[in-house]
Amino acid sequence: DAGVIQSPRHEVTEMGQEVTLRCKPISGHNSLFWYRQTMMRGLELLIYFNNNVPIDDSGMPEDRFSAKMPNASFSTLKIQPSEPRDSAVYFCASSFLGGPYSNQPQHFGDGTRLSIL
Amino acid sequence: KNEVEQSPQNLTAQEGEFITINCSYSVGISALHWLQQHPGGGIVSLFMLSSGKKKHGRLIATINIQEKHSSLHITASHPRDSAVYICAVGGHQTSGSRLTFGEGTQLTVNP
Repeated sequence: DAGVIQSPRHEVTEMGQEVTLRCKPISGHNSLFWYRQTMMRGLELLIYFNNNVPIDDSGMPEDRFSAKMPNASFSTLKIQPSEPRDSAVYFCASSFLGGPYSNQPQHFGDGTRLSIL
Repeated sequence: KNEVEQSPQNLTAQEGEFITINCSYSVGISALHWLQQHPGGGIVSLFMLSSGKKKHGRLIATINIQEKHSSLHITASHPRDSAVYICAVGGHQTSGSRLTFGEGTQLTVNP
């Protein structure tokens, strides 16, 4: 079975440019999570969706970040304009949750390593 | 104080040794996760538990809800176990399904 698929694997761009990260969750999963990992702060949840609806976006750092999930098989995380401090590895994970308070194992993608120059 | 604290931060062992990594948390939870992140960066979910003990191969995870503490044990450690092990908690009514992560434990197993 295909796991969570993220693209691109690596992205290097100049500050001020728009960056779009993509994620395809595991088929049948109804919840999708975007995480950011840095050396300083470790893993942090940015936003998660349940049945394509954003449930908790309190981790989104600022208005430059936006995430969408137009359907059950696709999500994007966009940064506009990008800044050097956005450099990190961004992970997408999916799970099947019975509701917004439930907990099930999460399956992680391989991550996108983002470098903003 | 972080909501999730792991110890030790770094651990070096010889092949064959029994290894224990600890996780303490300060919030009410419905589940605790142990994750493994290899040097290549990929993250794998090892366990999700809300009570008692789970075992998978040489890995054992335990949790004590009253004491808000979990341990991950590795028996007969092997160099391929070298990775970062991350504890995460979630599922509380005030946190929804969001996970809060510990800082991770870097494990190195030498041959």
